[in-house]
Amino acid sequence: DADVTQTPRNRITKTGKRIMLECSQTKGHDRMYWYRQDPGLGLRLIYYSFDVKDINKGEISDGYSVSRQAQAKFSLSLESAIPNQTALYFCATSDLLTGWDTQYFGPGTRLTVL
Amino acid sequence: EDQVTQSPEALRLQEGESSSLNCSYTVSGLRGLFWYRQDPGKGPEFLFTLYSAGEEKEKERLKATLTKKESFLHITAPKPEDSATYLCAVQAGGGVSKLIFGTGTRLQVFP
Repeated sequence: DADVTQTPRNRITKTGKRIMLECSQTKGHDRMYWYRQDPGLGLRLIYYSFDVKDINKGEISDGYSVSRQAQAKFSLSLESAIPNQTALYFCATSDLLTGWDTQYFGPGTRLTVL
Repeated sequence: EDQVTQSPEALRLQEGESSSLNCSYTVSGLRGLFWYRQDPGKGPEFLFTLYSAGEEKEKERLKATLTKKESFLHITAPKPEDSATYLCAVQAGGGVSKLIFGTGTRLQVFP
């Protein structure tokens, strides 16, 4: 079984809809991250969480919100999806001791907003 | 502004033809430089962390090196299974640290 799982793997939605992307991990890591990947722009950090009570904005948090339901679960929500949020979304985890080092990524969610 | 630039964007190699990928960076106080491999349809997979100029790390046919301005990922005698996109990321110092990713080099190795 994969250590970091994301659901759904693919999603097509319409402008204005609310969307939730979910991430679960079995690595026992405290730190979890959400990134988006766009062609030509590389991975960009949306939100990160160092534990259940610690949530931080990344460089492109506008239009997104997150929830850390448990150590193992970190969800990303698009309250009102817009077409320029079409991208590949990755969840990642890392260990408290290694900090930002050695992040383990999930398989990604391909989101299309029409 | 902190920045990471990878070159070339794409590289085609014959099997066994060694080459290098470049990652140049401009950051205020480097805490670490990271190399990841990403296969199509998958998330990035961690390869190496380098912390200081002069440091080198090796894994199978890959060797990563670091200077004060850039890092190289050397691929010796590549095989088709080395085909992937290779991502470089840096962690800057000061304030809230985070990873800054480059856009990657897409490597194709032909038999």
